[in-house]
Amino acid sequence: EPEVTQTPSHQVTQMGQEVILRCVPISNHLYFYWYRQILGQKVEFLVSFYNNEISEKSEIFDDQFSVERPDGSNFTLKIRSTKLEDSAMYFCAGRRQGDGNQPQHFGDGTRLSIL
Amino acid sequence: SQQGEEDPQALSIQEGENATMNCSYKTSINNLQWYRQNSGRGLVHLILIRSNEREKHSGRLRVTLDTSKKSSSLLITASRAADTASYFCATGTSGSRLTFGEGTQLTVNP
Repeated sequence: EPEVTQTPSHQVTQMGQEVILRCVPISNHLYFYWYRQILGQKVEFLVSFYNNEISEKSEIFDDQFSVERPDGSNFTLKIRSTKLEDSAMYFCAGRRQGDGNQPQHFGDGTRLSIL
Repeated sequence: SQQGEEDPQALSIQEGENATMNCSYKTSINNLQWYRQNSGRGLVHLILIRSNEREKHSGRLRVTLDTSKKSSSLLITASRAADTASYFCATGTSGSRLTFGEGTQLTVNP
């Protein structure tokens, strides 16, 4: 069964440092997403990505965040200057082409801890 | 209240019993999806129901959708200890982002 894989599983970073979270989506997926879940809170949408560009982003996804798919395989989320409040689980998800009624498949997440 | 709210927040049952979780939402949707999350792990997709569907089954799972009441329910029949997890509903709209609820923590006691 194909899976969405995310690396690293846990990232510890000093406040103000840049961090890159990586995801390898399922090969036949064309839409990609990043979500985050602060401890004890609900899962929140960050950004969606299709055809090598951002298709939608939330108010959380400010100028500190960026996404790219540099090599047609990896899908990355970069946070340029991390803050304490960026500590959360970050989930990558993907789905197939279609009318939007396809499930999104999630990775196991990266736990980001900002010190 | 916010889009995608589940109730109850926590549910504790005995193995073999049925578990019912409810979800309410506020805006128009294309679909509603249910996910499961084991502690500290990722979200596992369980079932998707489209806005023009009223009921869907998958194994021991039964999902209903009432768009007039903007609500959905997830029924797990003959529960097992391994069903212990958090369950989330998530609504999908034309923009394709998912909006998640707070989740229901289900504990199935052996």
